[in-house]
Amino acid sequence: DVKVTQSSRYLVKRTGEKVFLECVQDMDHENMFWYRQDPGLGLRLIYFSYDVKMKEKGDIPEGYSVSREKKERFSLILESASTNQTSMYLCASSRQGNQPQHFGDGTRLSIL
Amino acid sequence: GQQVMQIPQYQHVQEGEDFTTYCNSSTTLSNIQWYKQRPGGHPVFLIQLVKSGEVKKQKRLTFQFGEAKKNSSLHITATQTTDVGTYFCAGPGQAGTALIFGKGTTLSVSS
Repeated sequence: DVKVTQSSRYLVKRTGEKVFLECVQDMDHENMFWYRQDPGLGLRLIYFSYDVKMKEKGDIPEGYSVSREKKERFSLILESASTNQTSMYLCASSRQGNQPQHFGDGTRLSIL
Repeated sequence: GQQVMQIPQYQHVQEGEDFTTYCNSSTTLSNIQWYKQRPGGHPVFLIQLVKSGEVKKQKRLTFQFGEAKKNSSLHITATQTTDVGTYFCAGPGQAGTALIFGKGTTLSVSS
């Protein structure tokens, strides 16, 4: 079974901090994705990666960056955290871009 | 841009009643996928439909893909409390590298 592991279930940070969210998958998937989920807004794609060192902007990339140095790991970076980035962050992976995605448990991030 | 829309946004039913959620795309899709997210959980893949007019069943769940491959539906027969959660549909983006998710239908069931 595919396992997507996110480093933290809950995280509390302060405004202006640089925040790192880590995601690791164990199925050698090519594609990895970062979403944020807010009530009433569904899943919004922040960034995705289809290969090591490759990244593509999603629908809401502003204020975020990503890093994919190894195939199994995809990191989301909040360069200078702001309160409007308080949200649930979900990482996912898939074998190819349009194939079913496997999600991690999510990180509930609070920016104070 | 490409959009995937779902209705209704929320649905409350009594246990034993049927439930249907509808998904409509602004473009023709090569496939449609359905996911379920339990309260406090993460989205879990349920099924993928590929063929025009395709119908698939999983126990009490029936999934349909429209003839024009622009719409889909999920029907649950005789809902149970274990069916509560948010159901998302998703279709391939035009660039081919990411899925476009609908905003989901949240189902609540009272016994």
